[in-house]
Amino acid sequence: DAKTTQPPSMDCAEGRAANLPCNHSTISGNEYVYWYRQIHSQGPQYIIHGLKNNETNEMASLIITEDRKSSTLILPHATLRDTAVYYCIVRVAGSGTYKYIFGTGTRLKVLA
Amino acid sequence: EPEVTQTPSHQVTQMGQEVILRCVPISNHLYFYWYRQILGQKVEFLVSFYNNEISEKSEIFDDQFSVERPDGSNFTLKIRSTKLEDSAMYFCASSAGGTGAYEQYFGPGTRLTVT
Repeated sequence: DAKTTQPPSMDCAEGRAANLPCNHSTISGNEYVYWYRQIHSQGPQYIIHGLKNNETNEMASLIITEDRKSSTLILPHATLRDTAVYYCIVRVAGSGTYKYIFGTGTRLKVLA
Repeated sequence: EPEVTQTPSHQVTQMGQEVILRCVPISNHLYFYWYRQILGQKVEFLVSFYNNEISEKSEIFDDQFSVERPDGSNFTLKIRSTKLEDSAMYFCASSAGGTGAYEQYFGPGTRLTVT
């Protein structure tokens, strides 16, 4: 099972910041949090990942709480093209590699 | 920007037939994965592959499935005898590393329809 829980859906006005929360209370000390999004049935698109510190790239910012039990993905200026399902993923260690266990994600709808 | 490619984009096959789904991972990546997504459901891990062998497989990846890296660029998923329930989007992914902070990059997917 996925190690994360997310709200099933959110709306955001175009141009405003979209803040997508994720709970991962059972995360282990060396496990990373990854965020992906999926637009329609396209392949999941990598957004950002982090371990302990807050991270920022050209797409988004990731805020991780000090206890690492939750995180928030921030899209600073949401556009209509950001409408997608957003997945928060804690990688699961396998035999020599890591695999992603996807949950149901948050369906973000950006409104004009 | 390098990307994972998959062919075909859509494959229609009859139940019981064999299908091969093809993927070209990002060129300097060493770890390869297949996931699938049944319509309206979650993305599910199938298999990971490194150094020409399977690293891990899920319960879904039974004897009907196999993976291969036939040359230096392609990575294939074969389903020997397709069933109706194999109808899904199949996504290939690759990463530069298997441990550490390496993200996986996904291809656009192949929609498999079994009739």
